[in-house]
Amino acid sequence: QQKVQQSPESLIVPEGGMASLNCTSSDRNVDYFWWYRQHSGKSPKMLMSIFSNGEKEEGRFTVHLNKASLHTSLHIRDSQPSDSALYLCAASMRGNTGKLIFGLGTTLQVQP
Amino acid sequence: DMKVTQMPRYLIKRMGENVLLECGQDMSHETMYWYRQDPGLGLQLIYISYDVDSNSEGDIPKGYRVSRKKREHFSLILDSAKTNQTSVYFCASRLQGDQDTQYFGPGTRLLVL
Repeated sequence: QQKVQQSPESLIVPEGGMASLNCTSSDRNVDYFWWYRQHSGKSPKMLMSIFSNGEKEEGRFTVHLNKASLHTSLHIRDSQPSDSALYLCAASMRGNTGKLIFGLGTTLQVQP
Repeated sequence: DMKVTQMPRYLIKRMGENVLLECGQDMSHETMYWYRQDPGLGLQLIYISYDVDSNSEGDIPKGYRVSRKKREHFSLILDSAKTNQTSVYFCASRLQGDQDTQYFGPGTRLLVL
């Protein structure tokens, strides 16, 4: 079983709409979370990180984290066709092993 | 600008041939990684290196070995490549802090015939 689960697997939103992506860990040793974006044929690039409970906003992107439930969500408002990509959630384990555990991702398609 | 480089970007090999994938970074990051990415399986960690000559197996090390003789350079070696090693391989690097971001290289597309 994946230690980091993402939902939905895929998502279609209209241009200008809101996209909401979810990520949950089943491992209580998970500590910090990152969101990566991977455009088709490219490498993953870090989008946002969140380390403590609450919300963090950067431009059109907002990340929430609930450490008690080990759930993080990424919200993209005013979605653009250029936001179409695979979104990967990654989590690190307490104790700093250096390893990140990646989910399988959510494929977002923004339709013009 | 943080940069991780990978060479070659594309490679075609025959089954049984040896493969060398190279990765470099100019950020003096201590930790470096090799992943492979396959549809439906996501990013799978092959090896992690904590510094020069300090390497550990990841989740799928079988059929691979690594070498790190300089902090800025990390190699992935496939001895006698197999067709099931056809994949996209990503190198990544990171400082050692537990809140530090992991940066990925552009990837190498390997086809083993």
